[in-house]
Amino acid sequence: DAGVTQSPTHLIKTRGQHVTLRCSPISGHKSVSWYQQVLGQGPQFIFQYYEKEERGRGNFPDRFSARQFPNYSSELNVNALLLGDSALYLCASSLIREVNEQFFGPGTRLTVL
Amino acid sequence: QKEVEQDPGPLSVPEGAIVSLNCTYSNSAFQYFMWYRQYSRKGPELLMYTYSSGNKEDGRFTAQVDKSSKYISLFIRDSQPSDSATYLCAMSGGSGNTPLVFGKGTRLSVIA
Repeated sequence: DAGVTQSPTHLIKTRGQHVTLRCSPISGHKSVSWYQQVLGQGPQFIFQYYEKEERGRGNFPDRFSARQFPNYSSELNVNALLLGDSALYLCASSLIREVNEQFFGPGTRLTVL
Repeated sequence: QKEVEQDPGPLSVPEGAIVSLNCTYSNSAFQYFMWYRQYSRKGPELLMYTYSSGNKEDGRFTAQVDKSSKYISLFIRDSQPSDSATYLCAMSGGSGNTPLVFGKGTRLSVIA
């Protein structure tokens, strides 16, 4: 069974540009969450989506947005990129059930110059 | 005070040693406790999860949760060089739409 997949693997952008990151969850998983991991830190929650609806949002500015499609894949969009947005962006999928067991993809490494 | 505190290390041990990794937390609402392993430039891999207080064992790994002390631990027995990675603790309030809150991670090196 394929795990969580993310694209692209690496991305280099300049300040002020826009970026779209993509995620496909594990087959059968209906929930997708996005996390930002800055070097040397643990992942920090950005969004959770379930059945195409936003179920949770972390402490990130409105420049960050996301959506989930009918096939449960998801996109994370970041506008007006700042140097501080450079990080590993992780997608995690899970079943909505009592145990919050999330499985992570390999991440997209974003560098903002 | 951060919700989850974890010593970032680095921690270096000889092969075969018992490794103890720990986290403390401040939020009494946390009910589920996870340990993830992350190799360099990869996504986190779920190793163990535990509900509420108690112990859970899986092969060489044992997870312990003490909710009264707000303290969780991961023990690795007979450590191997392949265990060299960053270990992240994570916690959640339990329902399916509660996000995980992570510690900073502890970097472990097991020397052959």
